[in-house]
Amino acid sequence: DTGVSQNPRHKITKRGQNVTFRCDPISEHNRLYWYRQTLGQGPEFLTYFQNEAQLEKSRLLSDRFSAERPKGSFSTLEIQRTEQGDSAMYLCASSFPIAGGSITDTQYFGPGTRLTVL
Amino acid sequence: GNSVTQMEGPVTLSEEAFLTINCTYTATGYPSLFWYVQYPGEGLQLLLKATKADDKGSNKGFEATYRKETTSFHLEKGSVQVSDSAVYFCALWVGGTSYGKLTFGQGTILTVHP
Repeated sequence: DTGVSQNPRHKITKRGQNVTFRCDPISEHNRLYWYRQTLGQGPEFLTYFQNEAQLEKSRLLSDRFSAERPKGSFSTLEIQRTEQGDSAMYLCASSFPIAGGSITDTQYFGPGTRLTVL
Repeated sequence: GNSVTQMEGPVTLSEEAFLTINCTYTATGYPSLFWYVQYPGEGLQLLLKATKADDKGSNKGFEATYRKETTSFHLEKGSVQVSDSAVYFCALWVGGTSYGKLTFGQGTILTVHP
C-alpha cells in the first residue's frame, strides 16, 4: 500500500492557461474523489468516481473544470482558462467500499497539488 | 443540507495540557463522523471515526464520542504533545444520494508549546 499520490505537488501558472493534475489512488480502491481546499478552510467536494463512472459533481465544478478516470485507475483534473480564484490546494482521495453491511466510506487522501494562478 | 461547525482557533496549549476541540453538525440523514488531521506540508490523515450514536472513536490518545442528542463529535486528548501541532478537521459522510461526499468543518489550528 503506497498511498494516494498526486502530481505535480506544486503548479504555478499564468491566468488563462490550462493546467492538468494527476491522481493515482490506492491500487485496490475503486472510488476516487477530488476536493478543493482554500487557505484557512476545510476541503470542499468537487467530484466523485466509482470505477470509470463520474457519479457526482459539485456546483463548484464549473464548465472550465473537467475530470476523467478513463480506465478506472488514475484520474486527471483539468482546469481550462485558469483564473486567480482557482488558486487552491487540490486534493484527491480514494476509498474501497466496506463489504458485509457497513456502508461507511473511509477516504484516504493524497498530499495535494497546490495551484497558484498569477 | 449538511454542514459541520468547529470551534474557532487557533488553539494554543502547553505540553501535557488537556485538549478539547468542539464539533457540531447538521445532517439530512444519519451521518458517520470523522476527525482528520493535517500536519504542516502534508495531506489529510484519518485520525478517528464513529459510525453510529454513542460510538467512541479513538486513536493515538485522541477520543471523540458520537452524540446524536446534541449533534456533536468533540475531539479530546488528555495530554497533548508538541508533535500534535497540526490542523484538525471534523467531517461527516451521509450515505444515499450523497454517498460520494465528505463535508468538512473549517478546521482548527492547534499549536502545542514545550
